[in-house]
Amino acid sequence: SQQGEEDPQALSIQEGENATMNCSYKTSINNLQWYRQNSGRGLVHLILIRSNEREKHSGRLRVTLDTSKKSSSLLITASRAADTASYFCATRRQGAQKLVFGQGTRLTINP
Amino acid sequence: GAGVSQSPRYKVAKRGQDVALRCDPISGHVSLFWYQQALGQGPEFLTYFQNEAQLDKSGLPSDRFFAERPEGSVSTLKIQRTQQEDSAVYLCASSLGRAGYEQYFGPGTRLTVT
Repeated sequence: SQQGEEDPQALSIQEGENATMNCSYKTSINNLQWYRQNSGRGLVHLILIRSNEREKHSGRLRVTLDTSKKSSSLLITASRAADTASYFCATRRQGAQKLVFGQGTRLTINP
Repeated sequence: GAGVSQSPRYKVAKRGQDVALRCDPISGHVSLFWYQQALGQGPEFLTYFQNEAQLDKSGLPSDRFFAERPEGSVSTLKIQRTQQEDSAVYLCASSLGRAGYEQYFGPGTRLTVT
């Protein structure tokens, strides 16, 4: 069973707009990671945020983590058509090696 | 450098057949993971190796699923007597170390059981 819940399940926006995706989880974690998956392709690692971090940036990506609410958000600024993909959050619990994934958000960027 | 590779990319099996899926991790990566991804869902953990040792197989759905990594590099996921519910994409990932490192995923093997 999957730990994470992602919201929304699907998001469609115009190119140039910002996209925000949210992820909630249930247990204490060591870190939380965001991945992108294009249709029929493997997962590409985007960003990792540790449990003692609150915000992290990478290019057009901004991730926040609120451990008190057990939630994270991924913001993609100035979206491009190439950002069209499914986005997954994945958590790693303390003492565990495996990642537990959410169900993902399907993002569509309309030109 | 080369990423994680998996073969075959696509496999069609008749119900009851055995299949073997191969994963070549990134050279030097200690940790190797197998995940199963059903259509429209996020990946679900199957099993984890540190070098040749299988340290966690809690996600394997039944005793028909077996994984090995005998020399601590290439890994094989074997499914015996395949069932229709085994149809999914099987993803392999490798990681440099034990903790705190990102996992690099291969393109997956899409298994269809007819």
